Amino acid sequence: ETGVTQSPTHLIKTRGQQVTLRCSSQSGHNTVSWYQQALGQGPQFIFQYYREEENGRGNFPPRFSGLQFPNYSSELNVNALELDDSALYLCASSLAALAGFKGEQFFGPGTRLTVL
Amino acid sequence: GEDVEQSLFLSVREGDSSVINCTYTDSSSTYLYWYKQEPGAGLQLLTYIFSNMDMKQDQRLTVLLNKKDKHLSLRIADTQTGDSAIYFCAEVEGEGSQGNLIFGKGTKLSVKP
Repeated sequence: ETGVTQSPTHLIKTRGQQVTLRCSSQSGHNTVSWYQQALGQGPQFIFQYYREEENGRGNFPPRFSGLQFPNYSSELNVNALELDDSALYLCASSLAALAGFKGEQFFGPGTRLTVL
Repeated sequence: GEDVEQSLFLSVREGDSSVINCTYTDSSSTYLYWYKQEPGAGLQLLTYIFSNMDMKQDQRLTVLLNKKDKHLSLRIADTQTGDSAIYFCAEVEGEGSQGNLIFGKGTKLSVKP
């Protein structure tokens, strides 16, 4: 059973550019959530994907968008990068049942994004 | 909105017990979690407790939940230098198949030899 993987591990971009981060969920998990962790802070929920559709969104602008693929892997896209987007981006996978959220969320190692 | 509060720092001696405290605001949270983050790494799930439980023990870890006071604690027995890390408390927000986590700012645990 493989854990959650993310790529790339580090990324440097300049303000105004666009970035795509990738996540492969843990085997058997059908739900992927993305979080942003600024330095010295706890992770903040960006959005969640379940069965290839957005299933909840935190307080992030529309320039943060995502996709989930049939194999449950996911992408996070950020357009028009701003300096404050510099953070560790974490992906978490879980197994959500129709009757409600059950069980743990398992996190990947994260992608460190630096915007200059 | 929902909020999770934790003290920022805790320092203990190796071999002592560590107790990390957390308060949360969403009384409808079904699960509460403790995660560990080592420098430069992602989050490692340590343990979680269902809201109808008062206590959960898992080897050196004991979680206590006071639902009336919305207070959660994590006790680490026989703390080791390898336990030095940041510990995050989290509650679940949302229902249905959505279960996003609301995290505290984390408690940095320093273990002195």
